[in-house]
Amino acid sequence: QVHLQQSGPGLVKPSQTLSLTCAISGDSVSSNRAAWNWVRQSPSRGLEWLGRTYYRSKWVNDYADSVKSRITINPDTSKNQFSLQLKSVTPDDTAIYYCVRDPFHSYDIWGQGTTVTVSS
Amino acid sequence: DVVVTQSPLSLPVTLGQPASISCRSSQGLVHSDGNTYLNWFQQRPGQSPRRLIYKVSNRDSGVPDRFSGSGSGSDFTLKISRVEAEDIAIYYCMQSTHWPQYTFGQGTKLEIK
Repeated sequence: QVHLQQSGPGLVKPSQTLSLTCAISGDSVSSNRAAWNWVRQSPSRGLEWLGRTYYRSKWVNDYADSVKSRITINPDTSKNQFSLQLKSVTPDDTAIYYCVRDPFHSYDIWGQGTTVTVSS
Repeated sequence: DVVVTQSPLSLPVTLGQPASISCRSSQGLVHSDGNTYLNWFQQRPGQSPRRLIYKVSNRDSGVPDRFSGSGSGSDFTLKISRVEAEDIAIYYCMQSTHWPQYTFGQGTKLEIK
């Protein structure tokens, strides 16, 4: 049974970097049958895909245009997890952040969600 | 980006009665592999979204058979044959044909009349 466990701070100051981690159990971040995503949810934006990482002979990252200049998603094979870094945050980045597995053209497993507030 | 539009956004229902939610996409959702990747999720208060239906009409394991999905092209529907109290939630459709940016509808809040 696949499980995603998120960790990271719930409060980030404006202009700083938001950092979250998603630990995977029951699957592998290096699987060639899945992609590993970050999605956020806010009242103003709804559910919004941010980016993903996946391995197909090499590591590939895709990012949403809305955050492309500020986002990095990294796999960590030694810990079987992946991370999200979002730089230069503003209050508009306040949201619930989810890590999500995409086994092929869908999202089937979601992390528990992390509420992140951007405030001084 | 593909825009996904749900209606209604709020759906008051009587327990035991049917409910229906519509989902329309700005582009067709038939993939080059012949599949149509349209999903439905349920989100109860304080919980993460849970997938109910994938590829238009395939129910996930453990999903009651009162939930059904149908549709084709760019027009899809989620139906609940008889609403139960545990079904009170927000329902989202999501297209996952056009990648990498899968897109969600705005959500439909199912509430008791």
